[in-house]
Parts: sequence; C-alpha cells; structure tokens
Amino acid sequence: NAGVTQTPKFRVLKTGQSMTLLCAQDMNHEYMYWYRQDPGMGLRLIHYSVGEGTTAKGEVPDGYNVSRLKKQNFLLGLESAAPSQTSVYFCASSFSMVGGYNEQFFGPGTRLTVL
Amino acid sequence: AQSVTQPDIHITVSEGASLELRCNYSYGATPYLFWYVQSPGQGLQLLLKYFSGDTLVQGIKGFEAEFKRSQSSFNLRKPSVHWSDAAEYFCAVGPSGGTSYGKLTFGQGTILTVHP
Repeated sequence: NAGVTQTPKFRVLKTGQSMTLLCAQDMNHEYMYWYRQDPGMGLRLIHYSVGEGTTAKGEVPDGYNVSRLKKQNFLLGLESAAPSQTSVYFCASSFSMVGGYNEQFFGPGTRLTVL
Repeated sequence: AQSVTQPDIHITVSEGASLELRCNYSYGATPYLFWYVQSPGQGLQLLLKYFSGDTLVQGIKGFEAEFKRSQSSFNLRKPSVHWSDAAEYFCAVGPSGGTSYGKLTFGQGTILTVHP
C-alpha cells in the first residue's frame, strides 16, 4: 500500500495563477483532510471531507476550494494564488468513527511558493 | 472551541538524556489527545493517543504521555533520547462530544534537537 500520496511535491506559482493539489489514498478511508503548515503555527485545517461528494470548511478555508469526486481522491484548488498562500500543504485521511477518533494518516506534503 | 498550547518552540537535549515536551489544552470536557511526530521533510506520524482510562499512555518509539486533568496537560516523555528522535513534535486535541468528523486542533509544534 502506498498510503497517502500527494502530487506535486514542490511548486512555484506567480501571484494570480491557479493550481490543483492532488491527494490520493489507497486505504479506503472515508474522511480526508487538507492542512497547511506555517512556521510557529502548527497545522491548520483548510477543508475536509467525510465522504465521496461531500466537503466542508475548516479553520482557514478562504482562497481555497476542494472536491471529492472519488472516495480515494481529494483535490485542493487555488483559483488565484496569493503570496499568503505560500506554505506546506498536507493531506491526511482516516476511517470514520461516530463519537470518536481514528488515527489520521498523513501524506509527505507539498511545498508551495507563491511569488 | 478547543485550543492547544505547546510552550516550548525549541528544545535541545543531549543523547541519552530524558525528555519532556509540554502540552496544555483548553476544552470544557475531557478531549481526545494526541501526539504526532514530523521528521524533516516528512508527513506526520502518530506517536500515541489518549481517549479515556489509564492516564499514562504508551506509544511507539519508547514515548509515553500522561494526561493530567487538573493541569489540563498532556506532556510527552521519553527516558533516554536517541539521535533519531530529532524532529518536530505536535500535540493535538479533538472534541469528545458530538460529531467531530475526526477534526483536530494542533499546537504550534516543538522542535527537538539532539546533541551527540
């Protein structure tokens, strides 16, 4: 099993450009998450999905959109990139659990720089 | 809303020394508590978790953590640090009531440097 994979690993954008980050998991997890990691701020949740075709906003959703057309994939889009979106982006996934938590499995991250 | 504070941004220890990383949380009830580790250039890996029961929990790689309700703390410990433990450590909490969908709130992280 590959676990959680992210594409691309690195990307440099100019302000105003758009891009899509792809997250794929092969563990049949129901839940998927997108985080951004900035120095001194830990990980902050951007958007999440509890199943195919469903998405919801997290703590810092502005400037991002997501889609979950297939259970194994979770896409994060930047329509018009801004320098404030320079960050390391992590995808994670987990099994669902009512009233509890399952371990989140993380991808290796995508380092995005917006000039 | 819950919050997590890791007071130490950077800790340096010598190899073989003991380690304690601090984590304080703010939440109205007993939350679900986690410690994750991130090696350079890698994603996060779960070290251990606390849901209920015994307040001292054992994790992987020789780590343990103790939940102290009176202090709202969940500190991570290791009796003897190895050079390979150098990494960034994150404490995280999740609400215990309602439908959380597994959402976590992470602390700011503590960078551990290990001197030979």
